[in-house]
Amino acid sequence: DAKTTQPNSMESNEEEPVHLPCNHSTISGTDYIHWYRQLPSQGPEYVIHGLTSNVNNRMASLAIAEDRKSSTLILHRATLRDAAVYYCILSDTTSGTYKYIFGTGTRLKVLA
Amino acid sequence: GAVVSQHPSRVICKSGTSVKIECRSLDFQATTMFWYRQFPKKSLMLMATSNEGSKATYEQGVEKDKFLINHASLTLSTLTVTSAHPEDSSFYICSATGLAGGFPETQYFGPGTRLLVL
Repeated sequence: DAKTTQPNSMESNEEEPVHLPCNHSTISGTDYIHWYRQLPSQGPEYVIHGLTSNVNNRMASLAIAEDRKSSTLILHRATLRDAAVYYCILSDTTSGTYKYIFGTGTRLKVLA
Repeated sequence: GAVVSQHPSRVICKSGTSVKIECRSLDFQATTMFWYRQFPKKSLMLMATSNEGSKATYEQGVEKDKFLINHASLTLSTLTVTSAHPEDSSFYICSATGLAGGFPETQYFGPGTRLLVL
């Protein structure tokens, strides 16, 4: 079973910030939080990952709650090219191979 | 960097035939590769995990005799769908982790292979 919960869909206006939430209440102390996005008929694309501290890169920012039971992916200025399904994933380290268990993801629609 | 390719990008085959899909890490050595399948409007489902030179580990409910996985080198893994049937029609995606110069847990995904079985 997926270990993360995300809203099915969200909408944003172009050039507005977008906050995509993710709940992972069963996260363990060694689980990393990964975010990917997937465009139609393409493989997922890496966005960002983190463990405890907030993270920034050229694509997005990741805000992680202090208790690590939730996180938020922040796109600072949404563009039409950001329309995609965004997946929040925890690594499953129980098998030692860091499997990803995908949840349902959030379909982001960006309005011009 | 960290580019993963898949070949073919799409394939149509007749029921009962076998189809091989290749997954290559182009600019890094992939110690572990993963195979997923995705049905329309659904999320990715992990099928199996393979380490170079070892037998693949299949997820529960995935038939290992139907979906043959070979990870013969640090840059190549193959998925063979044997005796394909229409219900095997899906989008197959591979990913790889390894010596890509970044975080070791990060999976880099291929562009996917769309299989249609007639």
